[in-house]
Amino acid sequence: AQSVTQPDIHITVSEGASLELRCNYSYGATPYLFWYVQSPGQGLQLLLKYFSGDTLVQGIKGFEAEFKRSQSSFNLRKPSVHWSDAAEYFCAVGSGTSYDKVIFGPGTSLSVIP
Amino acid sequence: GAVVSQHPSRVICKSGTSVKIECRSLDFQATTMFWYRQFPKQSLMLMATSNEGSKATYEQGVEKDKFLINHASLTLSTLTVTSAHPEDSSFYICSAPSSSYEQYFGPGTRLTVT
Repeated sequence: AQSVTQPDIHITVSEGASLELRCNYSYGATPYLFWYVQSPGQGLQLLLKYFSGDTLVQGIKGFEAEFKRSQSSFNLRKPSVHWSDAAEYFCAVGSGTSYDKVIFGPGTSLSVIP
Repeated sequence: GAVVSQHPSRVICKSGTSVKIECRSLDFQATTMFWYRQFPKQSLMLMATSNEGSKATYEQGVEKDKFLINHASLTLSTLTVTSAHPEDSSFYICSAPSSSYEQYFGPGTRLTVT
């Protein structure tokens, strides 16, 4: 069974600073990996996804993530954070079949200092 | 992109009553849907897999007699919380996978049991 860990429960960064959110997964085969963002009281928005191919994937809102199989990681990055990026970020892993469940990590709460 | 809707978006019910939440795929067919529960400041926890035309598959620790799932058509799954109690108050989110290996999430239903 797949699982996800996000080591950082809460991160605070200054506006304009760079950001990296960590994600580690456990799965025996090639995983399908996702990053979602959730604002308070809102639903989920997909930032980016990795299925295969180029290990550096670009997403919306200036986010990118890099898949590193050797480290079982899929860290999310953004070069310059905006105040509107403050939200909860979830890394998620699927099993690699199109109709299988997605398991979420515990989430990282991002605060942005103006 | 594909759209998944949920109804109602918010519901308040009295302790001991039952409440039904609908999840619809609006522009695609979904033989499988997933139900998640999210407590405040926590991650999404998978409750069950809803299968069109057959019984739902529940995750360990989820009471199938309390959380009744019916997937009566290729576009509709319902979750009924029976004999609701205050501890059932939560944010319930459904999702449906597409053929492109992506999950489409509904906007969520906030249940408050008084």
